[in-house]
Order: sequence, then structure tokens, then C-alpha cells
Amino acid sequence: SQTIHQWPATLVQPVGSPLSLECTVEGTSNPNLYWYRQAAGRGLQLLFYSVGIGQISSEVPQNLSASRPQDRQFILSSKKLLLSDSGFYLCAWSEGADSNQPQHFGDGTRLSIL
Amino acid sequence: EDKVVQSPLSLVVHEGDTVTLNCSYEVTNFRSLLWYKQEKKAPTFLFMLTSSGIEKKSGRLSSILDKKELFSILNITATQTGDSAVYLCAVLVGSNYKLTFGKGTLLTVNP
Repeated sequence: SQTIHQWPATLVQPVGSPLSLECTVEGTSNPNLYWYRQAAGRGLQLLFYSVGIGQISSEVPQNLSASRPQDRQFILSSKKLLLSDSGFYLCAWSEGADSNQPQHFGDGTRLSIL
Repeated sequence: EDKVVQSPLSLVVHEGDTVTLNCSYEVTNFRSLLWYKQEKKAPTFLFMLTSSGIEKKSGRLSSILDKKELFSILNITATQTGDSAVYLCAVLVGSNYKLTFGKGTLLTVNP
């Protein structure tokens, strides 16, 4: 069966520091991969999605970037964190062959910026 | 802009009650509507609805979609304290793989 791993679970970072969050999926090939952010009082917001290695689409302009160096690895990065980057970051995957498939989420990273 | 609105925002019930959660949407190029349950961490997938009028059922949970009136409901019968969670509704739109989420309904089931 497929599993998704996301780490770290929690992170406290100072303003201006870099960020790297990692997500890996097991048990499937060529999945679609997604990064979401859930801010307090707001719904989940799609940040990036990827349909293949090196293919990244950005949904909102922001201080973050994403990369997919391997088929089942998705990384969320920032060179300099802002206070507004605080939130709950979730990675998700879906079957790649058909876009009309449910997305399945990792356990998330709770990011606090001080 | 695509929009998904859930109601109520929060709900407190007693064990054994039946609840109905609502989700309405305004989107272009609708493909399907999904329900998730979120406790402390990851949202877990409940249902995916693509066709109008066909009820999906899993134990005490059921859901149905009305594509003419642009809404869906999630029913939970004989609620238990373990049903306490945020229930998220999301709509999958077009071919760009984008899920647009509502803000969720916080359900609290008291013993």
C-alpha cells in the first residue's frame, strides 16, 4: 500500500533563516505531488504541484519554492523565511495517471517563525 | 475565483445525534467534490463524489452531491466522540489538479 512521509513534524525558525521540508511517497510510481499551507482560520491553500520530475507549477506568488529531484520526493524551500510563512504545511499525493483522483495527505509540518 | 463554502463553521452535539454538514461551491470546470476528516494532523480521505444523486456510504457516514444546485452534504448518524474533528470539503477543478478547500466544519461530539 502507498504511504507518505513528511518531516520534520514541527519546526521553529528565526525570521530570515532558510527552510527545507521534505516529503516522500512509497508504494506508487509517478505520483502527482502537492504542497499545501493551512493558516489559522483559513482553508488549505495549494502552493505547488508537480506531475513529474523537475515539473513544478506554482499557484500563488510567495517566498517559497519547490523542487522534485526524484520521482517520489518533493521538497519545499525558502532562502529567507518571513513571519507570514508560519503555518501548517501539508504534502499530498495522488495517482498520476488520472488527475480526477483523491489526494492523500502526510502528517504535516507545523512551522513557527520567530 | 473558485469558491467553496461550508456550513456551519462549528457544531456541538451529543453522542447518538445525527448531524448534517453542508458544502456549496461556485467553480469553473467542476470535476469532483471530496470530503476529508482532519483530527490533529493529516486530513484523511472520506468520499469522492462525481455524479449527482448517487449516495456514497461508509458505515455511519454518507454523502451526496447535487450538481444542479451546486452543493453536497455529509451525514453522520449515531455520532460518537471519535467523530469529533474538522470536516473539510474540497472541489477538484479542471485539469490542473487543483483542489479548492472550504474552511471546514468543526464538529464536537460530547459524551
